[in-house]
Amino acid sequence: GQQVMQIPQYQHVQEGEDFTTYCNSSTTLSNIQWYKQRPGGHPVFLIQLVKSGEVKKQKRLTFQFGEAKKNSSLHITATQTTDVGTYFCGNYGGSQGNLIFGKGTKLSVKP
Amino acid sequence: DGGITQSPKYLFRKEGQNVTLSCEQNLNHDAMYWYRQDPGQGLRLIYYSQIVNDFQKGDIAEGYSVSREKKESFPLTVTSAQKNPTAFYLCASSIYTGRTDTQYFGPGTRLTVL
Repeated sequence: GQQVMQIPQYQHVQEGEDFTTYCNSSTTLSNIQWYKQRPGGHPVFLIQLVKSGEVKKQKRLTFQFGEAKKNSSLHITATQTTDVGTYFCGNYGGSQGNLIFGKGTKLSVKP
Repeated sequence: DGGITQSPKYLFRKEGQNVTLSCEQNLNHDAMYWYRQDPGQGLRLIYYSQIVNDFQKGDIAEGYSVSREKKESFPLTVTSAQKNPTAFYLCASSIYTGRTDTQYFGPGTRLTVL
């Protein structure tokens, strides 16, 4: 099945700094979904990108889908302690049409 | 209050025992999924079901079994054949309209085998 590679695995930032996580694939992705999992919690859907070059914003979060639809990024401006958690990207590229998740980027924010 | 429930939140079992994890949803979703989460491993698919009385193996189905007798319920049995069952288990559901479905996750069950 299709694999999505997510980097970095961990990111430690000072509160107020920006943060970016990347999701990369060697093949074209039909779409990309982003989820956030707070410590001790469960993944929660954030957004889905479908179109080439698509950019969507949710307050301080900016999501991008590459022009070639092989990569995506999630950028957080001026991180806050509430942003702490693990961010996963996912793509419906499994051999049986199922959702495949990246390994996630764990974000910690130092106040 | 709609959503997905998993019980219990924490579960302890002795090695060699089978254990069944509960997952119930009242979202009227057709598709349901079981994932296993280990530190640094992300989410790995165990089994999924797109319709009642039908289910498919995911990437790590060995040592697990499921049933889907009702639309609302998708229990997962961790058998004694699963070599390393201690993990965080997440159940999810989606409407299943194709390859753009949003998945809604339950709170998870943390299984520890002693």
